Amino acid sequence: DADVTQTPRNRITKTGKRIMLECSQTKGHDRMYWYRQDPGLGLRLIYYSFDVKDINKGEISDGYSVSRQAQAKFSLSLESAIPNQTALYFCATSDPRNYGYTFGSGTRLTVV
Amino acid sequence: QKEVEQDPGPLSVPEGAIVSLNCTYSNSAFQYFMWYRQYSRKGPELLMYTYSSGNKEDGRFTAQVDKSSKYISLFIRDSQPSDSATYLCAMNKAAGNKLTFGGGTRVLVKP
Repeated sequence: DADVTQTPRNRITKTGKRIMLECSQTKGHDRMYWYRQDPGLGLRLIYYSFDVKDINKGEISDGYSVSRQAQAKFSLSLESAIPNQTALYFCATSDPRNYGYTFGSGTRLTVV
Repeated sequence: QKEVEQDPGPLSVPEGAIVSLNCTYSNSAFQYFMWYRQYSRKGPELLMYTYSSGNKEDGRFTAQVDKSSKYISLFIRDSQPSDSATYLCAMNKAAGNKLTFGGGTRVLVKP
């Protein structure tokens, strides 16, 4: 099994719909992140959580919310999806003792 | 202006050539510098990391950091078609802190 699992892998949804993207990790790390990736813009941070009771906004949190259900689970919600939220979404986890993030394989979201 | 700038490419090279990638940044507080490789439809994976200024070598890969110029580089020697991917630079102020990414450079190594 992958260290970081994201579901679904692909999703097409309509404008105005609520949608949830899920992420679970088996690394045992406290820190988890949600990023979105758009062509030419790299990865931009949406929300991050350093433990179950700690949730922080990133640089582009408007229109998104998150829930940290457990150490291993961190979900991202779009309350009312809009077309400019069409992007590739990545969940990641990190260990504060070293430098690297472990990313999931991503969710490709299309809002029509 | 973005905190981290990276040429989007694509950068096309023949097999065996040296690939040279770089990023510039504006925040002097960045201390840890990383390079990630991302294959199509996959998540980024950590390739190299360096702390502060200096060089680091790992096999065919060399990472350089020049903090005085706010400039980092990645060199890939003897490039292979399997090196074709998008390369993202990333950096943060302390180990384990949230990362700031460049936009990524797409690299194509032609057989």
